[in-house]
Amino acid sequence: KNEVEQSPQNLTAQEGEFITINCSYSVGISALHWLQQHPGGGIVSLFMLSSGKKKHGRLIATINIQEKHSSLHITASHPRDSAVYICAVTTRFYYMRFGAGTRLTVKP
Amino acid sequence: NAGVTQTPKFRILKIGQSMTLQCAQDMNHNYMYWYRQDPGMGLKLIYYSVGAGITDKGEVPNGYNVSRSTTEDFPLRLELAAPSQTSVYFCASSYSSTSGNTIYFGEGSWLTVV
Repeated sequence: KNEVEQSPQNLTAQEGEFITINCSYSVGISALHWLQQHPGGGIVSLFMLSSGKKKHGRLIATINIQEKHSSLHITASHPRDSAVYICAVTTRFYYMRFGAGTRLTVKP
Repeated sequence: NAGVTQTPKFRILKIGQSMTLQCAQDMNHNYMYWYRQDPGMGLKLIYYSVGAGITDKGEVPNGYNVSRSTTEDFPLRLELAAPSQTSVYFCASSYSSTSGNTIYFGEGSWLTVV
């Protein structure tokens, strides 16, 4: 079993829909990261959080440390949000553990 | 700032050949990393460095070597390429540990070994 599990693996939505991507982890962490990978391959960091909730524009990330679970929400989704969203956790030492990613397609 | 720059973008290698993936960052970051991404899998750490002159193995170091002679550069050497090294490689950097710092990635290098 992977240490970081994401669901769903694939997600198709209509423009304007509210989207939730889930991440569960099984190891002790010091931080959780949400990353976005565009079709061209580049990966950018969206959020880094260790507790609570963060918001940036239409994106919201939450984490529940006790339940070892995080969610990424996208409000009013748009076709430009189409990408692979990756959950990653920082464990002890310098290792980050990555989920396999959720491929999101937003149709106009 | 250019951020993290890695070259080449694409490369085809024959089995047994060697090559170096170049990585440079201009953000004065201490920590640098090399990851590989295989289809349907999460990124795996190959090697990392916490400063010039300091490198250490990650999860999947076999078949690779690195050096860190300067803060800016962190090249990844593939010796005796094998088909199992066909993958997408990402260089990344962070100011310090990612327990409190954002990680920045290069654009990726697509490597095929035939």
